[in-house]
Amino acid sequence: NAGVTQTPKFQVLKTGQSMTLQCAQDMNHEYMSWYRQDPGMGLRLIHYSVGAGITDQGEVPNGYNVSRSTTEDFPLRLLSAAPSQTSVYFCASSYSGYETQYFGPGTRLLVL
Amino acid sequence: DAKTTQPNSMESNEEEPVHLPCNHSTISGTDYIHWYRQLPSQGPEYVIHGLTSNVNNRMASLAIAEDRKSSTLILHRATLRDAAVYYCILKGAQKLVFGQGTRLTINP
Repeated sequence: NAGVTQTPKFQVLKTGQSMTLQCAQDMNHEYMSWYRQDPGMGLRLIHYSVGAGITDQGEVPNGYNVSRSTTEDFPLRLLSAAPSQTSVYFCASSYSGYETQYFGPGTRLLVL
Repeated sequence: DAKTTQPNSMESNEEEPVHLPCNHSTISGTDYIHWYRQLPSQGPEYVIHGLTSNVNNRMASLAIAEDRKSSTLILHRATLRDAAVYYCILKGAQKLVFGQGTRLTINP
């Protein structure tokens, strides 16, 4: 199993540009989530999904969109990037959300 | 979500035991106590979790106070690879809510 994979590893954007951060898992997990981690801080939940077709907001959802059309994939979209969205983004998955969550390696995003 | 309180940082020596404390005085009866750690430049990884009884696994031990208002993660013999930020998280629902964690430094 590849586990949780994220692409790209690193991205530089200009203010106002849009992009999609990709997250995929091959463990047949129903629960997937996106976090952001700012320097020196803990992780904050952006959006999560309990299964295909179902998404919900976390602690810091503004500026981000998600969809879950398949069990395997959970992309995170930035519609109009802002410097405040400079951060490291982590995707995680688990069977139902109540069990151990497995994290991807992260995407480092710099918005100029 | 119930909150946890951890020291910002701790330091220990290689091959010595490490006790990482966590206070959670507002824990509810259905909250599990989870520990994750984050090695430098990596995503968090699961360490251990428990509800009421002490727990052991290949990575660590978790000691839970009888009133469940505090817990301690025990690394029995720290190695340099254990240098990381350790997060104590109360989990009653599906979401993981991270605090600041404890930055553990291991001296050779």
